[in-house]
Amino acid sequence: KQEVTQIPAALSVPEGENLVLNCSFTDSAIYNLQWFRQDPGKGLTSLLLIQSSQREQTSGRLNASLDKSSGRSTLYIAASQPGDSATYLCAVIQGAQKLVFGQGTRLTINP
Amino acid sequence: EAGVAQSPRYKIIEKRQSVAFWCNPISGHATLYWYQQILGQGPKLLIQFQNNGVVDDSQLPKDRFSAERLKGVDSTLKIQPAKLEDSAVYLCASSQTSGRPSTDTQYFGPGTRLTVL
Repeated sequence: KQEVTQIPAALSVPEGENLVLNCSFTDSAIYNLQWFRQDPGKGLTSLLLIQSSQREQTSGRLNASLDKSSGRSTLYIAASQPGDSATYLCAVIQGAQKLVFGQGTRLTINP
Repeated sequence: EAGVAQSPRYKIIEKRQSVAFWCNPISGHATLYWYQQILGQGPKLLIQFQNNGVVDDSQLPKDRFSAERLKGVDSTLKIQPAKLEDSAVYLCASSQTSGRPSTDTQYFGPGTRLTVL
């Protein structure tokens, strides 16, 4: 059974800092890995999707990496802003589009 | 393009009562998902439909939960009777289902927050 773990559970940093969120998974037989953002009272917004054949994906200030062999992914956020405050979830995608989520990292960026 | 719509946004009931949630996916999306997200946890898939057929309901507590998608468009999730541990946010998502997992991104609705007292 696939298990996805995110560390840390919560993180608070000053504005402008670069930061890394971590995600690990137990079963390397995945199609893809996806990072989502969740704001209070709202649904999930997809940030980046990394296919199993890729090593990383970039979008603006976000960079996600994937190491299937070690069962790890990281989300790097450069030059953090207060608007980046949210919960970040990673999910592995297995057969039939099944998403298995981690428990999330609650990020707070302090002005 | 309109997103995934869900209603109600909030619901408070007492244990042993019944409750129903409604979801309208993005137009043209063949696949619809219901997730349960307990506070402090990631979403857990309850049921996945493709058109009006069930693809995966392995984590749906079938003794109290039921879901339907009669015409392959909108869907209803029901809980009867509710328990305290059902307090959670219920998220609906939809995807196009091109057959390529790399491109079938799921789009999520805002969720329904259920509180069982």
